[in-house]
Amino acid sequence: KAGVTQTPRYLIKTRGQQVTLSCSPISGHRSVSWYQQTPGQGLQFLFEYFSETQRNKGNFPGRFSGRQFSNSRSEMNVSTLELGDSALYLCASSLGPGAGEETQYFGPGTRLLVL
Amino acid sequence: AQKVTQAQTEISVVEKEDVTLDCVYETRDTTYYLFWYKQPPSGELVFLIRRNSFDEQNEISGRYSWNFQKSTSSFNFTITASQVVDSAVYFCALSTNTGNQFYFGTGTSLTVIP
Repeated sequence: KAGVTQTPRYLIKTRGQQVTLSCSPISGHRSVSWYQQTPGQGLQFLFEYFSETQRNKGNFPGRFSGRQFSNSRSEMNVSTLELGDSALYLCASSLGPGAGEETQYFGPGTRLLVL
Repeated sequence: AQKVTQAQTEISVVEKEDVTLDCVYETRDTTYYLFWYKQPPSGELVFLIRRNSFDEQNEISGRYSWNFQKSTSSFNFTITASQVVDSAVYFCALSTNTGNQFYFGTGTSLTVIP
């Protein structure tokens, strides 16, 4: 089975721009979660989607948004980029609630650099 | 509130030494899940183990072993006869039945010196 894939792997943007990151979960997984990882703040939860609905949301400003499509693929968008948004963005997939197995499997991440 | 504490920020050991990574968690939920992930320099978090709150049996997988003690709210991870390939950042995480949100510790950076 293919693992979680994320595109692009690397991205360089300038302040004020917006960016869209993509995540394809493991086949059969219906839940997708997004995390931001920085040296100073560690791994921080952004949001989680299941069946195209946002189930949980972390403590991030509204500039961070996401969505999930009917095939469980997910995108996250960051608008009006700031220097502090430079980070590794990780996507994780799991079977979803009620499946009895909530282990999250992570993708390789997208490294975003904001100049 | 849920919280995971990994007090060891960095550990260095010489190859073939045993090393234990500590993890202490806090939750008021009676049903919860504990995880360990490995993050090599490439960045991808690799799933190592999952334990639910009703299963305190310790587990061994090759050179890896995990000690889950509800009495001390700890879920420690031991690598026996460490190897250079074990060098990575290791994260302990907690999730509960109230949602699929994971709560990660700050990670322990392990360096195995040849």
